[in-house]
Amino acid sequence: GAGVSQSPRYKVAKRGQDVALRCDPISGHVSLFWYQQALGQGPEFLTYFQNEAQLDKSGLPSDRFFAERPEGSVSTLKIQRTQQEDSAVYLCASSFTSDEQFFGPGTRLTVL
Amino acid sequence: DQQVKQNSPSLSVQEGRISILNCDYTNSMFDYFLWYKKYPAEGPTFLISISSIKDKNEDGRFTVFLNKSAKHLSLHIVPSQPGDSAVYFCAASAHSGAGSYQLTFGKGTKLSVIP
Repeated sequence: GAGVSQSPRYKVAKRGQDVALRCDPISGHVSLFWYQQALGQGPEFLTYFQNEAQLDKSGLPSDRFFAERPEGSVSTLKIQRTQQEDSAVYLCASSFTSDEQFFGPGTRLTVL
Repeated sequence: DQQVKQNSPSLSVQEGRISILNCDYTNSMFDYFLWYKKYPAEGPTFLISISSIKDKNEDGRFTVFLNKSAKHLSLHIVPSQPGDSAVYFCAASAHSGAGSYQLTFGKGTKLSVIP
């Protein structure tokens, strides 16, 4: 497909479990962003990659959150020892320039 | 503190009339503004953008106005159609800084266009 894809679309985890969320950006897009969207809120920035380099991780809420993009394409957001407050939709976006970002459908994470 | 504010959580408009969605920002470093549209269970879809060097940008039925002195922007949809019913997010970024062009979003306005 031509758009950003994310998997899984839905994830239910027990508190304390580790989860891994995958993002496939649009081919050729250099920039990749992760956002967290809580219920009733707008998306909030988590981290940014330019190719394989993680240039900004200022939005990651704790050291339980970790993101990687080892080959400059697919990215994985990992959350260790999940907590209930981690429940949210995690959105991935990619862009070719510094302007418009194209978003994936998101992964809805529910931590019980 | 919210740097991008959308003070109207919802808006209802009759089909064919104009929809006006408002957005205010507080960070003077923001120089690029975007509107995204979001349907349930989908990611945000880019709608229209405006650079701070302009005060208006138009694309078909959608026009965005920027008032830098008031730190205010608005999205006009004319004429409104039932398919426009969605949540609209205002977003801003700062290109001039050393940051990552991350987007700062408002909380969204749910637009309902009534047939």
